[in-house]
Amino acid sequence: EIVLTQSPGTLSLSPGERATLSCRASQSVSSSYLAWYQQKPGQAPRLLIYAASIRATGIPDRFSGSGSGTDFTLTISRLEPEDFAVYYCQQYGSFQGTFGQGTKLEIK
Amino acid sequence: EVQLVESGGGLVQPGRSLRLSCTASGFTFDDYAMHWVRQAPGKGLEWVSGISWNSGRIGYADSVKGRFYISRDNAKNSLYLQMNSLRDEDTALYYCAKPSYGDNTLFDHWGQGTQVTVSS
Repeated sequence: EIVLTQSPGTLSLSPGERATLSCRASQSVSSSYLAWYQQKPGQAPRLLIYAASIRATGIPDRFSGSGSGTDFTLTISRLEPEDFAVYYCQQYGSFQGTFGQGTKLEIK
Repeated sequence: EVQLVESGGGLVQPGRSLRLSCTASGFTFDDYAMHWVRQAPGKGLEWVSGISWNSGRIGYADSVKGRFYISRDNAKNSLYLQMNSLRDEDTALYYCAKPSYGDNTLFDHWGQGTQVTVSS
């Protein structure tokens, strides 16, 4: 089973700043089957990025994903107030889609 | 519009059973595998179980294997999770999740969840 480790656990930034979130896998993620989700309090997760770098439908272009193999990054170029949330990475290359533990992006 | 509506959650004592349901609409249900994902209070997301479109492939997280059983009824556009021998650590919000295509675990739609609380 692939284990995903996200860092940092909490990231404190201000609106307008750039956010960089990391996701490291315990073994190579096949075909970059790596996704990112955003979850706000009281809401279900929302798919942001899949195949490591492809934005899901309706996701603003300030969100971008990169990486391959075992190291992946989610970047938010200029933070908007609505971007403060918890972000999860997930590998979906197997029938058992494991998640990272999450990074909380909070307002500084 | 894709809709996933979970039901069946509640307060249950340790060792007892509960059956969750998820009713789907807005897409061709039997074209997709379906999954359950849970989230304990204040914690992250945990994949629980998945079932292929024809029930031919089923998987469980190690934490629930032998206690939980997933099933589906394509005629009713419904997904189920039979939870037996419930433990305190099964307390969570249980989401029904639809993959973006076929048999994978890339979830493009989620229900709002049903709360399961295991406590004496």
